[in-house]
Amino acid sequence: GEDVEQSLFLSVREGDSSVINCTYTDSSSTYLYWYKQEPGAGLQLLTYIFSNMDMKQDQRLTVLLNKKDKHLSLRIADTQTGDSAIYFCAESIEDSNYQLIWGAGTKLIIKP
Amino acid sequence: NAGVTQTPKFRILKIGQSMTLQCTQDMNHNYMYWYRQDPGMGLKLIYYSVGAGITDKGEVPNGYNVSRSTTEDFPLRLELAAPSQTSVYFCASSYSHLQPQHFGDGTRLSIL
Repeated sequence: GEDVEQSLFLSVREGDSSVINCTYTDSSSTYLYWYKQEPGAGLQLLTYIFSNMDMKQDQRLTVLLNKKDKHLSLRIADTQTGDSAIYFCAESIEDSNYQLIWGAGTKLIIKP
Repeated sequence: NAGVTQTPKFRILKIGQSMTLQCTQDMNHNYMYWYRQDPGMGLKLIYYSVGAGITDKGEVPNGYNVSRSTTEDFPLRLELAAPSQTSVYFCASSYSHLQPQHFGDGTRLSIL
């Protein structure tokens, strides 16, 4: 079945770039999303990319999509303490009535 | 601009009790969703609705029921609470299946 995989943890120093990776199995994905979850809060949409795009940039965020390898990444430039959160990757699949398939989330830890 | 509002934020239930988790949105979104989030896991879809009067099962519907009598409200009912239903429940909404989902802050439910 469809699957989305992410590393559970990523630790970076404040000011460095963070790169959070995600791999997926279904080739019929339409949109791929990045959501951010801060402690005790709901999920906040960060950015999303259509499956026929390779890259999308939005201020400090850069999304890269390698459709051949089914690999999605989120780069956060100049990582700040406020970026500390869990980041979820999700894909919308045409064959599943566009329901989202979610990764388990990557916890981003910021070291001073 | 309230967005998606969930109540209650926390609840402890005894095994066998029933309760309704409330969700309301003020964005006039057609699609609404209920997810559960277990530690270290991605979100699992319980039920979804594509409009008032229409509901459909997601990946993990057993033990739950929903209704969608209005566009704004999408309550989730647990009839006979079981320990396996201890989780964080998120409600989300979107304008269409191709638009990003907006989330509430979640309901943390413990069944003892």
